[in-house]
Amino acid sequence: AQKITQTQPGMFVQEKEAVTLDCTYDTSDPSYGLFWYKQPSSGEMIFLIYQGSYDQQNATEGRYSLNFQKARKSANLVISASQLGDSAMYFCAMREGNTGFQKLVFGTGTRLLVSP
Amino acid sequence: GAVVSQHPSRVICKSGTSVKIECRSLDFQATTMFWYRQFPKQSLMLMATSNEGSKATYEQGVEKDKFLINHASLTLSTLTVTSAHPEDSSFYICSATLSGERNQPQHFGDGTRLSIL
Repeated sequence: AQKITQTQPGMFVQEKEAVTLDCTYDTSDPSYGLFWYKQPSSGEMIFLIYQGSYDQQNATEGRYSLNFQKARKSANLVISASQLGDSAMYFCAMREGNTGFQKLVFGTGTRLLVSP
Repeated sequence: GAVVSQHPSRVICKSGTSVKIECRSLDFQATTMFWYRQFPKQSLMLMATSNEGSKATYEQGVEKDKFLINHASLTLSTLTVTSAHPEDSSFYICSATLSGERNQPQHFGDGTRLSIL
């Protein structure tokens, strides 16, 4: 079974608008971490935001916020005021367990295209 | 901080050649590094976890004799694709974490595009 599911292969948004990228996860471990990464066409993976399973508040980092719905097992990324440079692939990932050296499991990604 | 350097960024070589890819943590010590493979338009798939001073842990289906990993120091891990063939052509990317804290993200290198002719 898929541990991380990203159901949107592609999303379009107009510049300056907000967009939500969906991510649902599956785990029986009470301790886990959720990450979002951005991958431009050049290939590098850029860390955007982190949400811990015990965190009480939704994570925010500048224009990025994470809509964490624990009961629904969803961790959607919200990008506000989209910019042309936001066009890229976006991956949701999960780390299970308490130690930081546990591996990350990635979703299939969502390609975001921001239009002028 | 937390910069990971990967070299080379692109390799084009003939079938049968062995290719070595280096992954360095420039400003921190990384006890553990990770090696991923990404096919076009697909997600990252973990190949192996590289531990300093010990043998790498390979994911199911990854040939350890094909993909040799050496984590010789706290700042360097290498992946050698031995006797590469066209089906090994892919994007290989490494990552490392600052510490064992759960909330620390993996920091990635810029990746290596490997093309075997």
